[in-house]
Amino acid sequence: DAEITQSPRHKITETGRQVTLACHQTWNHNNMFWYRQDLGHGLRLIHYSYGVQDTNKGEVSDGYSVSRSNTEDLPLTLESAASSQTSVYFCASSTSGSYNEQFFGPGTRLTVL
Amino acid sequence: AQSVTQLGSHVSVSEGALVLLRCNYSSSVPPYLFWYVQYPNQGLQLLLKYTTGATLVKGINGFEAEFKKSETSFHLTKPSAHMSDAAEYFCAVSDQGYGQNFVFGPGTRLSVLP
Repeated sequence: DAEITQSPRHKITETGRQVTLACHQTWNHNNMFWYRQDLGHGLRLIHYSYGVQDTNKGEVSDGYSVSRSNTEDLPLTLESAASSQTSVYFCASSTSGSYNEQFFGPGTRLTVL
Repeated sequence: AQSVTQLGSHVSVSEGALVLLRCNYSSSVPPYLFWYVQYPNQGLQLLLKYTTGATLVKGINGFEAEFKKSETSFHLTKPSAHMSDAAEYFCAVSDQGYGQNFVFGPGTRLSVLP
């Protein structure tokens, strides 16, 4: 069965360190998204990609970067982790078209000390 | 800019009672509307969606939602709550004027009391 996976599921790091969160989907979807979920804010879009070599900034992109070298993967990098980036991160994917639902991964809980 | 509001960050109902979770949106063009459910420590799962056609949409687990353009609403209902319905529910909107991205509401936590 097709799926979307995230790794690691839990991560503890220190302020200032670089961290990369992995997202891998086997749906062959063109679109991939990264969100963060914080209490009281719902899901906020960090970065998104509509295809290989395409990346775009979302609502809360400061301090984050992504790259898309193939269809299956969209890794999220925190260049220099800050305590304000402690959150739960979700990756999602969808086929082209704004009427199509997004499929979500299980999430990564990141703690920055 | 698009926005989604969900009235009530926390809703409690008794088991067997009606569930009503509210969602209102702002969009300048006809939107596509989605409801997702999130169980503890899990990702989001699609409950139902409205794209075109019939305005009353049925989803999984006995949930349904009605698109009312005049009220810019897409409220989620279930006739009889079950303990297993306790979760966080998110309403989301997309439209062609906003690319292929979603705007999510802040979520409503549903508690089901025995």
